[in-house]
Amino acid sequence: GENVEQHPSTLSVQEGDSAVIKCTYSDSASNYFPWYKQELGKGPQLIIDIRSNVGEKKDQRIAVTLNKTAKHFSLHITETQPEDSAVYFCAASGQAGTALIFGKGTTLSVSS
Amino acid sequence: DVKVTQSSRYLVKRTGEKVFLECVQDMDHENMFWYRQDPGLGLRLIYFSYDVKMKEKGDIPEGYSVSREKKERFSLILESASTNQTSMYLCASSLLGLEKLFFGSGTQLSVL
Repeated sequence: GENVEQHPSTLSVQEGDSAVIKCTYSDSASNYFPWYKQELGKGPQLIIDIRSNVGEKKDQRIAVTLNKTAKHFSLHITETQPEDSAVYFCAASGQAGTALIFGKGTTLSVSS
Repeated sequence: DVKVTQSSRYLVKRTGEKVFLECVQDMDHENMFWYRQDPGLGLRLIYFSYDVKMKEKGDIPEGYSVSREKKERFSLILESASTNQTSMYLCASSLLGLEKLFFGSGTQLSVL
């Protein structure tokens, strides 16, 4: 079945810097790749997603890139702010497209 | 806004007890999911359901069962709770398959 690896597990940046989180997946049939942000005490919330027929997608300060050949995708956050501090999860469609398989998460800390 | 409500924020149970975790969504979503979240392991799929009375096993269904008698409610059942089931349990729902999952705030279950 699908396996999703996420790196790094923790990331500390200064306010205003960029942050990059990378994920790899194993199932070449996966075609949907969302990113979720989880703040303390809350459930994960979708922040951006990309389908396999698109190489890059951007929404204000966040962007996601997908390399289907290499089977990896990345989240880019520019001009980081303290409120970006959270746990970020990548995911890929698995089990023949019936469920999301999540990475283990990246704890992002943005210091001012 | 979509609301996914999990019945308890914190729950303490004893080994061997039968435990019910309840989840209700208010947006007429077809699809509902139960995930388990553990530090360093990310989110792991336990069970999911794409229709009333329908259920499918996820990656870690052992020791769990589910019930979906009504569209808005998806219950996770621990038939005989064990200490290794101490975890954060997250319920989610979606309108369109895997896209835009809405998560509840989670139930932190401790089995003593």
